[in-house]
Amino acid sequence: EIVLTQSPATLSLSPGERATLSCRASQSIMSQLAWFQQKPGQPPRLLIYDASNRATAIPARFSGSGSGTDFILTISSLEPEDFAVYYCQQSNNWLTFGGGTKVEIK
Amino acid sequence: QVYLVQSGAEVKKPGASVKVSCKASGYTFTNYYMHWVRQAPGQGLEWMGKINPDGGSTTYPQKFQGRVTVTRDTSTSTIYMGLSRLRSDDTAVYFCARWRDGYNTFDYWGQGTLVIVSS
Repeated sequence: EIVLTQSPATLSLSPGERATLSCRASQSIMSQLAWFQQKPGQPPRLLIYDASNRATAIPARFSGSGSGTDFILTISSLEPEDFAVYYCQQSNNWLTFGGGTKVEIK
Repeated sequence: QVYLVQSGAEVKKPGASVKVSCKASGYTFTNYYMHWVRQAPGQGLEWMGKINPDGGSTTYPQKFQGRVTVTRDTSTSTIYMGLSRLRSDDTAVYFCARWRDGYNTFDYWGQGTLVIVSS
């Protein structure tokens, strides 16, 4: 099973700041990585697919990069609605999710 | 507009079984694989299995083989997830999600169904 390790577990930032979230895979997953945002009581919302492609209606402040084993989700300037938990998910070998990064207001 | 509407919350005793439904609308039901993902309270996401609505073939990860059964009813565009021999650690929110082949991930999710396992 491919293990996805997300870091940090919690990111404390202020609105307007840049957020950099990491997801590392235990073996190469090429570019088969997606990022989701989840708010309390809601299902996950797709942000990025295939490592770097924004999903429909996702603002340009969200961007993804990486391939192989190391991936980054960047939120260029945090808006109040961006404070949430973010998960990465791989589909190269079965399906697994990372443990999540909580972006909280500092 | 795509909608995935799930059945309501359930409370079950240990050892019992539960069946959760997910009714799809707004697209051609048989064109997209459907998956189930669960989330224990305060925890992350865990994939439970998938079904091809066109034919009904299923795939489950080893952890859930023998305990999870995913089925579909094409006449009502509904998929079902059955989980047997429930334990307290099966307490979770269960989500159905549509797989988008070109994206290699899930593009639409149901609202979630809370299943509580308690004696």
